[in-house]
Amino acid sequence: AQKVTQAQTEISVVEKEDVTLDCVYETRDTTYYLFWYKQPPSGELVFLIRRNSFDEQNEISGRYSWNFQKSTSSFNFTITASQVVDSAVYFCALSEAYSGAGSYQLTFGKGTKLSVIP
Amino acid sequence: EAGVTQFPSHSVIEKGQTVTLRCDPISGHDNLYWYRRVMGKEIKFLLHFVKESKQDESGMPNNRFLAERTGGTYSTLKVQPAELEDSGVYFCASSQAGQEDTQYFGPGTRLTVL
Repeated sequence: AQKVTQAQTEISVVEKEDVTLDCVYETRDTTYYLFWYKQPPSGELVFLIRRNSFDEQNEISGRYSWNFQKSTSSFNFTITASQVVDSAVYFCALSEAYSGAGSYQLTFGKGTKLSVIP
Repeated sequence: EAGVTQFPSHSVIEKGQTVTLRCDPISGHDNLYWYRRVMGKEIKFLLHFVKESKQDESGMPNNRFLAERTGGTYSTLKVQPAELEDSGVYFCASSQAGQEDTQYFGPGTRLTVL
């Protein structure tokens, strides 16, 4: 069965610092997708990125970057020059491309609460 | 374009009562998912609709939970009778055909059972 581990429960950084959120996953599938979601204080889960297991290229979007390494089963998320608006809970999630029941259910980690202090 | 909406945002009920949660997916999204986060735990999958059909309900905890999606539009999740352990945040998500795994979530309904 699949599993996602976010070992960092809470992180605090001072504004403008860089911060990396760790995500380690387990799956027996060779085809899978990895995701990051942001949950701001308002509560909704905001989709940030989807990464296919065959694409190990790192991705950068503004101040956000993602480092996918199959060799270590990790999909880490870095925020550069953090801002107060980045304060949120961040979830890493895994979807096996096709589960036995024909579903695309996501398996989530427990989340990492990031606090950016002004 | 409107996102996924959920109603109510909060619900406080007593043990043994019934509660119905509603989810309106993004217009045109055939896939609708329910998830739940119990305090201190991971967000867990409950079930998946494709249009009005239940594709996967392997995450439903027991028969006190009933989900429907009549007409393939909005969905309801009824808990009857509610127990203390049902407290948590219930999330709904939707995705479009062909991109089933890219799910867009609503704000959740916080359910408190006293």
